[in-house]
Amino acid sequence: SQQGEEDPQALSIQEGENATMNCSYKTSINNLQWYRQNSGRGLVHLILIRSNEREKHSGRLRVTLDTSKKSSSLLITASRAADTASYFCATRTGGGADGLTFGKGTHLIIQP
Amino acid sequence: EPEVTQTPSHQVTQMGQEVILRCVPISNHLYFYWYRQILGQKVEFLVSFYNNEISEKSEIFDDQFSVERPDGSNFTLKIRSTKLEDSAMYFCASTEQGAKETQYFGPGTRLLVL
Repeated sequence: SQQGEEDPQALSIQEGENATMNCSYKTSINNLQWYRQNSGRGLVHLILIRSNEREKHSGRLRVTLDTSKKSSSLLITASRAADTASYFCATRTGGGADGLTFGKGTHLIIQP
Repeated sequence: EPEVTQTPSHQVTQMGQEVILRCVPISNHLYFYWYRQILGQKVEFLVSFYNNEISEKSEIFDDQFSVERPDGSNFTLKIRSTKLEDSAMYFCASTEQGAKETQYFGPGTRLLVL
């Protein structure tokens, strides 16, 4: 798999349920960031987790990072229709002003 | 809350024409980036810029592309002679202290090359 690959590619759940998306990567990272993108719109930053962190929370979002497995997960609890979007993980591998490497994303649909 | 802004939101151009995409990063940020997203594909890094020079560029960022910070607020991406395959959404991003920190993205410019 490529650096920053999310699965599943698409996920459809009922409003109120929890949504879990996973991201795997190949090389060592400095940090991993999750972004949301509504159809045809810009990227909204959700959470940054550093390589020495294992879990972070922000509101209804919970991100975990397992550097031994080179994987991360994003959990959205109590989903709402407004959470419908594509979710991307992005990794930063080097130093300085390195650009991020994005995955293909998970398209999440919350059905009312 | 400060935001990255981009203009124009949409641009249509003829193949071979030059385009300049403009970005205003968050005012106290020092590191600037351009990314692109071809329709239905992943977001791809193009170039990073710090201290008035390119820090890193990807294979996509060939001689047709250039970046400039013409004044204290704007950050531009120029495509000298556009190709059909340059059609994409172009995102500008900025961060205060480099890639250790969150990159804040602008809303994007949708470029269509005919």
